[in-house]
Amino acid sequence: KQEVTQIPAALSVPEGENLVLNCSFTDSAIYNLQWFRQDPGKGLTSLLLIQSSQREQTSGRLNASLDKSSGRSTLYIAASQPGDSATYLCAVNGGAQKLVFGQGTRLTINP
Amino acid sequence: SAVISQKPSRDICQRGTSLTIQCQVDSQVTMMFWYRQQPGQSLTLIATANQGSEATYESGFVIDKFPISRPNLTFSTLTVSNLSPEDSSIYLCSAEVAEAFFGQGTRLTVV
Repeated sequence: KQEVTQIPAALSVPEGENLVLNCSFTDSAIYNLQWFRQDPGKGLTSLLLIQSSQREQTSGRLNASLDKSSGRSTLYIAASQPGDSATYLCAVNGGAQKLVFGQGTRLTINP
Repeated sequence: SAVISQKPSRDICQRGTSLTIQCQVDSQVTMMFWYRQQPGQSLTLIATANQGSEATYESGFVIDKFPISRPNLTFSTLTVSNLSPEDSSIYLCSAEVAEAFFGQGTRLTVV
């Protein structure tokens, strides 16, 4: 059974810093991994999707990497802004398009 | 990409009643998914809804409690039946168009 773990559970940093969020998964037989953002009480916004054959994806200030063999992914946020404050979730697609989610990292960017 | 409209956005319901949540996708999709997010927790898949067939439920979820309809390729409903306070959660629908997209969620409070 796939298990997804995100570390840290919460992170608070000053504005302007670069930061890394971590995601690990127990079964390396995945189709893809997706990072989401969730604002309080809201739905999920897709940030980046990495296919199992890819090593990284970039979108603006965000960069996600994937090391399938070691069961790890990171989300790098450059030059953080207060608007980046949210909960970040990683989800692994192990097949049949079903996603297994981590518990999330609650990120706070302090002005 | 896909835009998913979910309603209601929130509701407060009495014990023993039912709530039906609707999701409309702006394009045709083969599979839609329903997730539950309990307070302070991550997302858990309830079921997969395919058009023209019965929904497929994950372990711990049953059709009598969470009946699902999928009348066409752009629409699905989830009913949460015989409500109890333990059903208080955010319910989210999802569809995959190259990557997973989510509705804005329904925050259900049972009193």
